[in-house]
Amino acid sequence: DTAVSQTPKYLVTQMGNDKSIKCEQNLGHDTMYWYKQDSKKFLKIMFSYNNKELIINETVPNRFSPKSPDKAHLNLHINSLELGDSAVYFCASSQTNNEQFFGPGTRLTVL
Amino acid sequence: AQSVTQPDIHITVSEGASLELRCNYSYGATPYLFWYVQSPGQGLQLLLKYFSGDTLVQGIKGFEAEFKRSQSSFNLRKPSVHWSDAAEYFCAVGPYGNKLVFGAGTILRVKS
Repeated sequence: DTAVSQTPKYLVTQMGNDKSIKCEQNLGHDTMYWYKQDSKKFLKIMFSYNNKELIINETVPNRFSPKSPDKAHLNLHINSLELGDSAVYFCASSQTNNEQFFGPGTRLTVL
Repeated sequence: AQSVTQPDIHITVSEGASLELRCNYSYGATPYLFWYVQSPGQGLQLLLKYFSGDTLVQGIKGFEAEFKRSQSSFNLRKPSVHWSDAAEYFCAVGPYGNKLVFGAGTILRVKS
């Protein structure tokens, strides 16, 4: 009965590869988010989708492309991975204008 | 632009002692304020939130926070800390619930 789930939990890959992280929420929320937490634990929003529509797109390299096939899913695809992409990526969801619920995170390590 | 400052990077308290974690924010309108907790290797769990109304907000695990508009603060408190409270605590501000801006976090260590 996990509320917000992410797969995989850990991802280790080589520079230049393309990878995806999946997120699913079963809370019936209409808004989903991707955050990046860097090595200093600083959390910053990357994207937000409301009813499958992109509403927040912070200054993120266009190698990062979110995709929302439906309201319950928001996937993050990353092309041509770089060392600096190593971080923990958190998915979150909320009902519009309410608190966000976070997934357990995906630790991405780029070698 | 909105911002959040958590002045204390680390705080160490003895088990059973009281706790106060500081949070100051900068925001042009009435803020929506949140405290989240992150245990090692875990996601973020919401402790409490302030949207409007009573400025003293009760949360889970015995935590409370007080919104002080005049000081632009939303400090988190707990009267008696337990060893299981050791974690990292994040304050966040946002318009409604979207586009949250987080502080840098405060790591809480609990001495037995």
